[in-house]
Amino acid sequence: GAGVSQSPRYKVAKRGQDVALRCDPISGHVSLFWYQQALGQGPEFLTYFQNEAQLDKSGLPSDRFFAERPEGSVSTLKIQRTQQEDSAVYLCASSRAQGAGQPQHFGDGTRLSIL
Amino acid sequence: GENVEQHPSTLSVQEGDSAVIKCTYSDSASNYFPWYKQELGKRPQLIIDIRSNVGEKKDQRIAVTLNKTAKHFSLHITETQPEDSAVYFCAATPNYGGATNKLIFGTGTLLAVQP
Repeated sequence: GAGVSQSPRYKVAKRGQDVALRCDPISGHVSLFWYQQALGQGPEFLTYFQNEAQLDKSGLPSDRFFAERPEGSVSTLKIQRTQQEDSAVYLCASSRAQGAGQPQHFGDGTRLSIL
Repeated sequence: GENVEQHPSTLSVQEGDSAVIKCTYSDSASNYFPWYKQELGKRPQLIIDIRSNVGEKKDQRIAVTLNKTAKHFSLHITETQPEDSAVYFCAATPNYGGATNKLIFGTGTLLAVQP
């Protein structure tokens, strides 16, 4: 596709439910990032993949958050036993290659609301 | 870890005037500094970036300057237009020598261009 695609665009879940958010990066992009953006704040890093390898998960807030990219393209961010503080926009970004200075291109995000 | 501060948080200018947004960073090893524009409910869009071996970069009405000694960088928008109204985020990539090129974002500047 032409850009990073995320689905669903909106997700409403009850506290305690599990959710799965999908990211389709730009074709051929090696690097994939997940960020969390709270209302009125800048995006905050969650985790990073280089192809299928998850090289950095230092930003995941708890062990309820899990991400995978099994074939090095599509990625899924899963949140188990959701809490109200998980409500945010989850952004996915991809870049062509690894290494510093590679522009990251963002998707439109998934707005997650936990009731 | 890296910390990025951004000022001002809001900025209102008259159409045609210039706008300047400033950011400071803490990690002297940071080497890549992008700027993103985010309209309400939309994805962050990369508008310009600069690498640590360059002091200034310009693209039409947008320019970015970097002062490595002082650890600050600025976004300059000239001849502002109403469509420039959005939230602008600066970011920095800390260079830990590893594979992750995560972005550390500032807190954003809401720019309003008055017609």
